[in-house]
Amino acid sequence: NAGVTQTPKFRVLKTGQSMTLLCAQDMNHEYMYWYRQDPGMGLRLIHYSVGEGTTAKGEVPDGYNVSRLKKQNFLLGLESAAPSQTSVYFCASSPDRDGHEQYFGPGTRLTVT
Amino acid sequence: GDSVTQMEGPVTLSEEAFLTINCTYTATGYPSLFWYVQYPGEGLQLLLKATKADDKGSNKGFEATYRKETTSFHLEKGSVQVSDSAVYFCALSDLPGGTSYGKLTFGQGTILTVHP
Repeated sequence: NAGVTQTPKFRVLKTGQSMTLLCAQDMNHEYMYWYRQDPGMGLRLIHYSVGEGTTAKGEVPDGYNVSRLKKQNFLLGLESAAPSQTSVYFCASSPDRDGHEQYFGPGTRLTVT
Repeated sequence: GDSVTQMEGPVTLSEEAFLTINCTYTATGYPSLFWYVQYPGEGLQLLLKATKADDKGSNKGFEATYRKETTSFHLEKGSVQVSDSAVYFCALSDLPGGTSYGKLTFGQGTILTVHP
C-alpha cells in the first residue's frame, strides 16, 4: 500500500513550456486535491475532484488544468508555465466528503525560469 | 469566507520545553479542525483532529481543544523533543452538509525548531 504518490519529484521548466504532474492513490478514495505551497502562505487549493470524471476549481485555478479519467489518478497540467508557478505542489486524497484525514503525497518541487 | 490564522513563527525551543502554537479561525457553521505536521522534505501528515466543540484531539503527546467560544484550536505539548522539529499547520474543513466537498483551509504554517 503506497498511499499517495507523485511524479516527478523535481522539475525545472522554462517559461512557456508545458508539463503534467501525476498523482496516484491506491486507497480507493473518491476525493482528490491539488495544492500549491508557497513560503508564508500555507497551502492553497488549485483544483479538486469528487470522483472519476469530475473536476472543479479551487482557490487558485488560473494557469492550471486537471483531469480525473481514472479514480486512482489525478493529473495537473501546466499549458504554458510562468515563473509565478514556481512552487511545491502537493496532491491529497480523502475517503469522505467532509475532508477528514486528507492523505498527502510527498510533493513535486517545480521551478520555472 | 473561511480563514485560519496561526501565530507567527518561527518558534525555537530547547528540548523538554512547553510548546504552544496558537490557531484561531473564522468560519460559517461548525467546521472540523485539524493540525497537520510537515517534516523536512515530506508531505503533510495529520497530527490530530476535533470535529465538534469541546472535543480534544491528541496524538504523540500533542493536544488541542476545539473552543467554539473563542474560535480557537491551540496546539500544545508538555515536553518537546528534537524530533518534533517541523512545520505545523492548522486547518479547517466545512460542514459535512456544505458544498465545499471536503476542502481544507490552511493557516500559513509555524516552523518549530527544537534544540538539544
